[in-house]
Amino acid sequence: DGGITQSPKYLFRKEGQNVTLSCEQNLNHDAMYWYRQDPGQGLRLIYYSQIVNDFQKGDIAEGYSVSREKKESFPLTVTSAQKNPTAFYLCASSRTGLLETQYFGPGTRLLVL
Amino acid sequence: AQKITQTQPGMFVQEKEAVTLDCTYDTSDPSYGLFWYKQPSSGEMIFLIYQGSYDQQNATEGRYSLNFQKARKSANLVISASQLGDSAMYFCAMNTGFQKLVFGTGTRLLVSP
Repeated sequence: DGGITQSPKYLFRKEGQNVTLSCEQNLNHDAMYWYRQDPGQGLRLIYYSQIVNDFQKGDIAEGYSVSREKKESFPLTVTSAQKNPTAFYLCASSRTGLLETQYFGPGTRLLVL
Repeated sequence: AQKITQTQPGMFVQEKEAVTLDCTYDTSDPSYGLFWYKQPSSGEMIFLIYQGSYDQQNATEGRYSLNFQKARKSANLVISASQLGDSAMYFCAMNTGFQKLVFGTGTRLLVSP
């Protein structure tokens, strides 16, 4: 079955530590995205990538970094510069083109110790 | 700037009844897409239905239909014959070009027996 996987399901970060969230898709989609969700709020775009080796900042990119070395993978690193990282992180993918539907993974919940 | 407004923080409905979840949007782009997603307590965002700005007819997907009123800039989701499994958060979202989705704050739906 095609889909999007995210790991781990829960992640704990210590102060000053960088952590990496994994996102893999086998839908053969060119575009991938990272969103952040805070309690009681909608999703906000962190980064997105329309093609391998290229990515753009979203609305809240500060304190985050990404890479896109393979079509199937779009890992997100939460750096120590992100002062309020506790949130639910969702990865999505879509075909490229105007107004394409984005499909989401199960999410990773990041907690700060 | 694009904006999605969901004014109902919570809605209650009895099993087998229909329910309407409100969504209004704001954009100056003539071409846009409107999406509804369901987020159960597990966290995954599940795509439900899509409406394009140039679509002449309201979108339908099984028990879901989208009441699209372009002049009023509204895109309400109608769920017919509610089921207990419909209890979840529901998000309205919009994109106006290549990939960036803007989300509302969501409506929590509770279906009672």
